[in-house]
Amino acid sequence: NAGVTQTPKFQVLKTGQSMTLQCAQDMNHEYMSWYRQDPGMGLRLIHYSVGAGITDQGEVPNGYNVSRSTTEDFPLRLLSAAPSQTSVYFCASRPGGYDEQYFGPGTRLTVT
Amino acid sequence: AQKITQTQPGMFVQEKEAVTLDCTYDTSDQSYGLFWYKQPSSGEMIFLIYQGSYDEQNATEGRYSLNFQKARKSANLVISASQLGDSAMYFCAASGFQKLVFGTGTRLLVSP
Repeated sequence: NAGVTQTPKFQVLKTGQSMTLQCAQDMNHEYMSWYRQDPGMGLRLIHYSVGAGITDQGEVPNGYNVSRSTTEDFPLRLLSAAPSQTSVYFCASRPGGYDEQYFGPGTRLTVT
Repeated sequence: AQKITQTQPGMFVQEKEAVTLDCTYDTSDQSYGLFWYKQPSSGEMIFLIYQGSYDEQNATEGRYSLNFQKARKSANLVISASQLGDSAMYFCAASGFQKLVFGTGTRLLVSP
């Protein structure tokens, strides 16, 4: 099992550009989530999904879109990048609501 | 919705001593899970321990134990016999049926 994979590992964007952060898992987990980690802020939940076709907003959803067309994939789209979106982004998955969450290695995004 | 509070931004401990990292939570869910994760300087998120809200006994995993006091809504992590490799950020997290949210973390430094 590859676990949770994220691409790219690093990305630099200019303000106003759009891009998609990819996330995939091969553990057949129903639950998937996106977090951002800023210094001193811990991990903040952006969006999450409890199954294919079902997504919902977390604590900081503005500026981001998600979709979940398959169990395996949960891409995060930045619509128009802003410097405030400079952060490390983690994707995670878990089998069910009360289970251990498995994390991807993270994507370090810089917006100039 | 869940809210996690970690009031200790940083903690210091000497090697081989025990240390307690504090975590309080607020949730309206009747059933929930409590987690601790470790994040070393390399950045990956490592699962340490889990406590279910209906578990009567405190969870233990090797040198880690979770001091669960439901009435006080606290879920402190106890690390016994600290090692130099325990130096890292530690995050407390809580899940309801859908969301898993994190606290802001505690940085632990273990000195020789």
